[in-house]
Amino acid sequence: QSALTQPPSASGSPGQSVTISCTGTSSDVGAYKYVSWYQQHPGKAPKLMIYEVSKRPSGVPDRFSGAKSGNTASLTVSGLQAEDEADYYCSSYAGSNIPYVFGTGTKVTVL
Amino acid sequence: QVQLQESGPGLVKPSQTLSLTCSVSGGSVSSKSYGWSWIRQPAGKALEWIGRIYSGESANYNPSLKSRVTISVDTSKNQFSLNLNSVTAADTAVYYCAIQGRAGYGSESPGGFDPWGQGTLVTVSS
Repeated sequence: QSALTQPPSASGSPGQSVTISCTGTSSDVGAYKYVSWYQQHPGKAPKLMIYEVSKRPSGVPDRFSGAKSGNTASLTVSGLQAEDEADYYCSSYAGSNIPYVFGTGTKVTVL
Repeated sequence: QVQLQESGPGLVKPSQTLSLTCSVSGGSVSSKSYGWSWIRQPAGKALEWIGRIYSGESANYNPSLKSRVTISVDTSKNQFSLNLNSVTAADTAVYYCAIQGRAGYGSESPGGFDPWGQGTLVTVSS
């Protein structure tokens, strides 16, 4: 089972938007609605930001949004703030035999 | 609010077994709404899903680790555990326990991992 593909880095100035892609296959991202996104600051545990492609857990700002088209999911952070600088990982359900796979990770830099 | 805490040795010798425990507070490992999960992250690298177990059911594992890994639940202690045998330096990583929301069972975030433990670094070295 291969990891989902994400760009290594993305950046934007404060107030701007940044979009991160997460490319899988028709066996994972393309097949199921269980795509989630995680934010990880250095030395900290990941934090769930998006689940079921586009839903936000309680407490996550609405600046974070998710979408999916075919085998590619995406996370958009609007109105970038300094605290958004972190690593971001996607994850997808991939079926009963290989339930979950994570992405390669994207480092977001706020310029 | 469910909270998780990993515990176990920080140093394991090559060829031995890595054993970690995740203690659960604010919730019950008997709940079928959640997948009790383990995820690891080598330094500077991406997250890797190890496996998960639903209480009372068989565990599912990452195929790349399946021959070496066992995840189990101890309802009497309200905790779940990870055993990884025949370890090598490639198994050095921060190990996280996490809750995976289960679809169709009323969980708050189906398919998402939330919350996570703080993580514990395990180094494989002689």
